[in-house]
Amino acid sequence: GAVVSQHPSWVICKSGTSVKIECRSLDFQATTMFWYRQFPKQSLMLMATSNEGSKATYEQGVEKDKFLINHASLTLSTLTVTSAHPEDSSFYICSAIAGGARSYNEQFFGPGTRLTVL
Amino acid sequence: QKEVEQNSGPLSVPEGAIASLNCTYSDRVSQSFFWYRQYSGKSPELIMSIYSNGDKEDGRFTAQLNKASQYVSLLIRDSQPSDSATYLCAALTGANNLFFGTGTRLTVIP
Repeated sequence: GAVVSQHPSWVICKSGTSVKIECRSLDFQATTMFWYRQFPKQSLMLMATSNEGSKATYEQGVEKDKFLINHASLTLSTLTVTSAHPEDSSFYICSAIAGGARSYNEQFFGPGTRLTVL
Repeated sequence: QKEVEQNSGPLSVPEGAIASLNCTYSDRVSQSFFWYRQYSGKSPELIMSIYSNGDKEDGRFTAQLNKASQYVSLLIRDSQPSDSATYLCAALTGANNLFFGTGTRLTVIP
């Protein structure tokens, strides 16, 4: 199946700093990637949709200036949490839709990045 | 009404029994539905996708879609302790965004 990786797996940072999370599709080209956030004992909440070469589309209530998304190539999308605060501590998960012959409807998830802001 | 709603459980079944997980959806989602399994601290993994009315079987898993009643279910036959996880129902919107239910926590008791 399609493989999506994330880096780092976990990160601890001080309040006020910025953290960058990478999402890579390893064996396919991802025209569209998604960023989700999951708080403990809650379901995944879609934050934004990232399309290669264009601006990300953010869900209602997600601050685009705080969560910067860049999808500069067909295999890499990055999420930067700027000026992180303790309430940003969460499990961030990316997913990707493969273009071409693969099912357009199926999203393949990365392993997630656990962010803890002190 | 939320796009996708699930009974959050928890659901406990004995080993070898059938586990039944249910999900309802609103008119705001398309006709593509997915069941994901998520172990604690891990990201979701796709178990089944279903697009057409009726049943779809894959090994011990059967997904059922009823468009008239707007529900989708997942049956797990011969449940194993390793099936213990949170099961997430998801549906696509017209914009190809996935909306997830809150998840049902399943525990299979040996």
